[in-house]
Amino acid sequence: NAGVTQTPKFRVLKTGQSMTLLCAQDMNHEYMYWYRQDPGMGLRLIHYSVGEGTTAKGEVPDGYNVSRLKKQNFLLGLESAAPSQTSVYFCASNRRGSVSYEQYFGPGTRLTVT
Amino acid sequence: QQQVKQSPQSLIVQKGGISIINCAYENTAFDYFPWYQQFPGKGPALLIAIRPDVSEKKEGRFTISFNKSAKQFSLHIMDSQPGDSATYFCAASIGSNYQLIWGAGTKLIIKP
Repeated sequence: NAGVTQTPKFRVLKTGQSMTLLCAQDMNHEYMYWYRQDPGMGLRLIHYSVGEGTTAKGEVPDGYNVSRLKKQNFLLGLESAAPSQTSVYFCASNRRGSVSYEQYFGPGTRLTVT
Repeated sequence: QQQVKQSPQSLIVQKGGISIINCAYENTAFDYFPWYQQFPGKGPALLIAIRPDVSEKKEGRFTISFNKSAKQFSLHIMDSQPGDSATYFCAASIGSNYQLIWGAGTKLIIKP
């Protein structure tokens, strides 16, 4: 099993450009999450999904959109990138009904907006 | 009320020493407190977790101590090794809401 994979690993964007980050998991997990990680600020939840076709806003959703058309994929879109969106983005997933609440993370995407 | 405050921000410990990282919370509805370990260039991974009805949980060299009355919990790493050098995050969650509230992280360096 590959677990949680993220594409791409690195990306540089110019202000105003758009892009989509792809997250895929092969563990049949219902729940999926997008976080951003910035120095000294821990992990902040952008959007999450509790199942195929459903998404919800997290702590810092502005400037991002998401879609979950298939259970195994969760897409994060930036419509008009801003330098404040320079960050490392992590996708995570977990199973509904899991006793441990354990979230499984991908390796991250490092995004730089110039 | 939804915050989890983590300290210190960074920590240097000699090999063989004890590393201690502390977290504090306000929301008494939190019912699950995990610690995650993150190595450079990797995503965080669950290290150990505790529920508030338990005062201590030990897994190998890693121990969580939980003080419900003080609303604090801490991670102790005994006999710290250079391979333990990583960033550690505490977190908290409520009931069937699978969202985690994260601390800011502690960068731990173990000196050989």
